[in-house]
Amino acid sequence: RKEVEQDPGPFNVPEGATVAFNCTYSNSASQSFFWYRQDCRKEPKLLMSVYSSGNEDGRFTAQLNRASQYISLLIRDSKLSDSATYLCAVQGYQKVTFGTGTKLQVIP
Amino acid sequence: GAVVSQHPSRVICKSGTSVKIECRSLDFQATTMFWYRQFPKQSLMLMATSNEGSKATYEQGVEKDKFLINHASLTLSTLTVTSAHPEDSSFYICSARPYNRGNEQFFGPGTRLTVL
Repeated sequence: RKEVEQDPGPFNVPEGATVAFNCTYSNSASQSFFWYRQDCRKEPKLLMSVYSSGNEDGRFTAQLNRASQYISLLIRDSKLSDSATYLCAVQGYQKVTFGTGTKLQVIP
Repeated sequence: GAVVSQHPSRVICKSGTSVKIECRSLDFQATTMFWYRQFPKQSLMLMATSNEGSKATYEQGVEKDKFLINHASLTLSTLTVTSAHPEDSSFYICSARPYNRGNEQFFGPGTRLTVL
C-alpha cells in the first residue's frame, strides 16, 4: 500500500461547481497534513494546512479524519483559475510524503 | 517572506557530465532543506534530507554517491548529479524549512534537468 494515495482524476467540472478530493495515508503516526497546489511545470505551493477540527479559507475547506486516516479538500464555486493538480502531503517526524496529485480542470 | 530560489532553472547537459543545482533560502535561515525529484505525471519523491553542517539522509533507492548533497550554510544547499545519464532527466525541486516556523516547508521554483 502506498503511503499516501489520491485519485489522479482528472476531475472535469463546470465553473461554479463544488468538487471534493480525498487522500488516504497509511502511517497512523503522521503528524501534519497539507494540501498543495501545483500548476503545470511549476513548484508546489501550499494551499492550506489540515487540522482535525477542519479549516476553511474562502472557498476551500480541508478536513482531517484521523480514525479513518484520510484528508479531504472541498472547493466551492469553482473558478477557471482553480485548474491545477492538488497534492496532499503527510508529514511524519521530519519527512513529508506527497500523493501523486489529483488533476482538476474547471470548464467554462 | 520565506522565498526559496533555485539555480539554474533549466539545464541541458551531455551524458556523463556533472550538474550542480543550488537551493537558497533568501530571507530566512533553514536548518533543514529537502531535495525532491518529480518525473512527468508522477508525484514529488523525496530524495534526501539535508541538515546544515551534517551529512544528508538519503531515501531508500537514492544513490548517495551519485547525488551529492552539501548544506554548508543555513541558507544554501547544493545537489550535484554526478555522471548524469538520460534517466536522470527530471524536475528537481528543493524545499527549505525555517528553523522557527514549525513544519512548514517552502519550495524553490525547481530545476528542469535534461540529459542528452
